[in-house]
Amino acid sequence: NAGVMQNPRHLVRRRGQEARLRCSPMKGHSHVYWYRQLPEEGLKFMVYLQKENIIDESGMPKERFSAEFPKEGPSILRIQQVVRGDSAAYFCASSPTGTTYNSPLHFGNGTRLTVT
Amino acid sequence: KQEVTQIPAALSVPEGENLVLNCSFTDSAIYNLQWFRQDPGKGLTSLLLIQSSQREQTSGRLNASLDKSSGRSTLYIAASQPGDSATYLCAVIPSGNTGKLIFGQGTTLQVKP
Repeated sequence: NAGVMQNPRHLVRRRGQEARLRCSPMKGHSHVYWYRQLPEEGLKFMVYLQKENIIDESGMPKERFSAEFPKEGPSILRIQQVVRGDSAAYFCASSPTGTTYNSPLHFGNGTRLTVT
Repeated sequence: KQEVTQIPAALSVPEGENLVLNCSFTDSAIYNLQWFRQDPGKGLTSLLLIQSSQREQTSGRLNASLDKSSGRSTLYIAASQPGDSATYLCAVIPSGNTGKLIFGQGTTLQVKP
């Protein structure tokens, strides 16, 4: 059973370009979470999605960032017009249910975005 | 607002030593608490999950305890090995939340052979 798959592992973008990060959850998991780890900072929640629905986007910057989890295919985190401050590691996690009382979140290896 | 703090930020010990990592949180209303391990350039590996109704969980050489009333958790690592070198992260899910984890800054552990 493959774990949470994220691609690409490393992504380099110039300022003003778009970045698209992909996450395929574990098999049987329909809940996806995106977290961001800025240099020298802890992991911060960005957004929680179920298939075709955004449940909680309270951690997403209001502009330039969007996320989706379509009925078919991976979840996508999209950053438009990237700036240097977007350089970070972006992690995706999945769970089989929305409440993780007794079910740990499973994390992918992350996508490291560098904006030049 | 829930805040999670981990002390110390970094720790270096000789191989074989038993050690304790500390985690504190400001709001005792939590759903559960998880300990993760993060290796450089890698993702997070879940080590232990303690439900709010539990006091501790054990896995191999690892034991995690939870004291909700005082807002503390500890991760005990017995007979440390160089392979234990990594960053250890503590995270809580506040009660009534949608599963959003709130992380501490982590403790970076180095075990010297």
